[in-house]
Amino acid sequence: AQSVTQPDIHITVSEGASLELRCNYSYGATPYLFWYVQSPGQGLQLLLKYFSGDTLVQGIKGFEAEFKRSQSSFNLRKPSVHWSDAAEYFCAEYMDTGRRALTFGSGTRLQVQP
Amino acid sequence: ETGVTQSPTHLIKTRGQQVTLRCSSQSGHNTVSWYQQALGQGPQFIFQYYREEENGRGNFPPRFSGLQFPNYSSELNVNALELDDSALYLCASSADRDRNTIYFGEGSWLTVV
Repeated sequence: AQSVTQPDIHITVSEGASLELRCNYSYGATPYLFWYVQSPGQGLQLLLKYFSGDTLVQGIKGFEAEFKRSQSSFNLRKPSVHWSDAAEYFCAEYMDTGRRALTFGSGTRLQVQP
Repeated sequence: ETGVTQSPTHLIKTRGQQVTLRCSSQSGHNTVSWYQQALGQGPQFIFQYYREEENGRGNFPPRFSGLQFPNYSSELNVNALELDDSALYLCASSADRDRNTIYFGEGSWLTVV
């Protein structure tokens, strides 16, 4: 069955430190991959997406992600975390490229220490 | 601001009751999907509507049903509510011109008691 795995349930980093959130996908030779962020009580905001081409994708708010086919991974990174980055982060991929329906990982909660 | 508006934002229902959640998306967004997000979990796909027709369903029972209207607004209906239906329900929309950019609303929090 198709699945998206986010191995880290909770990560704490200090403000200004670098960040990497892990994501492994399992579906498709050409996956369509996304990272979303959800602040408390809010809906989902798209950070970035990857469909093809350059394996390093730039997103909003200074985030980037790297697609590695050999590792079935699509990890999210940020060089310097800000306190406002504290939120829940979800990796997702299309379960069905025809319908553009997403399957999500279980999320990683990011806490930022001052 | 995603242009996807959901109502109500919060509601409490009793087990066995029925609920209707509403979603209004941007003009021209003819694809709308609904997701259920239980506490501490990622969203799960319920179903999708495209030009007023159901276009795919996830692993949810028939008591979850929906509608999409000519103006592309949408409803999610849940009958015979169960305690496990307590969750955040998210509406997502996209347009043909950019089907891979999916906009989410802020959701409707449903509590079943």
